[in-house]
Amino acid sequence: DGGITQSPKYLFRKEGQNVTLSCEQNLNHDAMYWYRQDPGQGLRLIYYSQIVNDFQKGDIAEGYSVSREKKESFPLTVTSAQKNPTAFYLCASRERAGHYQPQHFGDGTRLSIL
Amino acid sequence: GQQLNQSPQSMFIQEGEDVSMNCTSSSIFNTWLWYKQDPGEGPVLLIALYKAGELTSNGRLTAQFGITRKDSFLNISASIPSDVGIYFCAGQRAGSGNTGKLIFGQGTTLQVKP
Repeated sequence: DGGITQSPKYLFRKEGQNVTLSCEQNLNHDAMYWYRQDPGQGLRLIYYSQIVNDFQKGDIAEGYSVSREKKESFPLTVTSAQKNPTAFYLCASRERAGHYQPQHFGDGTRLSIL
Repeated sequence: GQQLNQSPQSMFIQEGEDVSMNCTSSSIFNTWLWYKQDPGEGPVLLIALYKAGELTSNGRLTAQFGITRKDSFLNISASIPSDVGIYFCAGQRAGSGNTGKLIFGQGTTLQVKP
């Protein structure tokens, strides 16, 4: 089945540790996005990538890093510099060509601090 | 970053009732999207709107792209228990190019009493 797969579903981070969240899509979409969701708030954009080997900061990029070495993969690293990492992280992708195509989302990764 | 003003924040209704929610912005948008999110899952696209004044239905759901291009409305008719969840509006601001960047509302939490 085509879709967006995020793993793991739950992740725990120790103080001072970097952790990496996986996002893989087999929809052949060009663009991919990472969002952070906190309770009672909308989604906030962390990073996005429109093509392989290129990515841009979103509204809350501090303490996060990404890479886009393959079209289907867009991993997000939550670094030790992110002091409040506990949140629900969502990955999305969309096709860029032609008429505007909406973003479609994975099922998220919930990150907690040990 | 900017967020859309979505209201109401929460609703608790009786099964069979109709529901209305809306989003407003101080900026002009060229695309409006409505998503539904179930607990612990990613948002799922319900309706996409691309033209001012556009009225689109998806089953019991109807959404409209406001004439001013600064607002959008979602109506749910004859609500059922499976309508429970968080509904998000999202928009692409005019002039943002083909980045696909979306701005999200804070969400409307809907609870339906059988």
